[in-house]
Amino acid sequence: DAKTTQPNSMESNEEEPVHLPCNHSTISGTDYIHWYRQLPSQGPEYVIHGLTSNVNNRMASLAIAEDRKSSTLILHRATLRDAAVYYCIPSGAGSYQLTFGKGTKLSVIP
Amino acid sequence: GAVVSQHPSRVICKSGTSVKIECRSLDFQATTMFWYRQFPKQSLMLMATSNEGSKATYEQGVEKDKFLINHASLTLSTLTVTSAHPEDSSFYICSARDLVGGEAYGYTFGSGTRLTVV
Repeated sequence: DAKTTQPNSMESNEEEPVHLPCNHSTISGTDYIHWYRQLPSQGPEYVIHGLTSNVNNRMASLAIAEDRKSSTLILHRATLRDAAVYYCIPSGAGSYQLTFGKGTKLSVIP
Repeated sequence: GAVVSQHPSRVICKSGTSVKIECRSLDFQATTMFWYRQFPKQSLMLMATSNEGSKATYEQGVEKDKFLINHASLTLSTLTVTSAHPEDSSFYICSARDLVGGEAYGYTFGSGTRLTVV
């Protein structure tokens, strides 16, 4: 499994954009980059995933570096409901186990 | 979107008894499901991979005779914690992935089961 490095914590003001970085320098060429978030006492929630190209969905955008050794999750306007632990996870195609690191705890300030 | 239902959400049991946790994929079929455990202020740790119609694959250090996994259908996997002890108290979470769309979807997680053994 590829190792990931994420900041332990980040803060954002409400309604401002947030850029959550992740380094995954040992990622395999066929691994997708997944992002999940977990609110307290809940199961993780899928945010977004991608392979090489940048991806957008209703929740967030994912910017993937050209060498794929890093990626950035972008929340365009942080809300209080976005306060959670965000996990960046490289994973193989298909139904493959996800290995969770420590993630980044995002706090959103009203 | 894909939904995974997990029950119960919370259970308290006496030491020495067994507890069964159910994980259902509601609108898709899952030949593979994953079981995780999460202790307070820690990340999720994979316990085992549940395979429909065959034996589960357990991670190193997870006792297969203590954590019984049954994946008898394409929509249901169960985790039974046998002879539970206080150190088994944890947050248990299941996960599965809808692969009908290929790589279009990510993994879906259950809402988790908070097990407290007294």
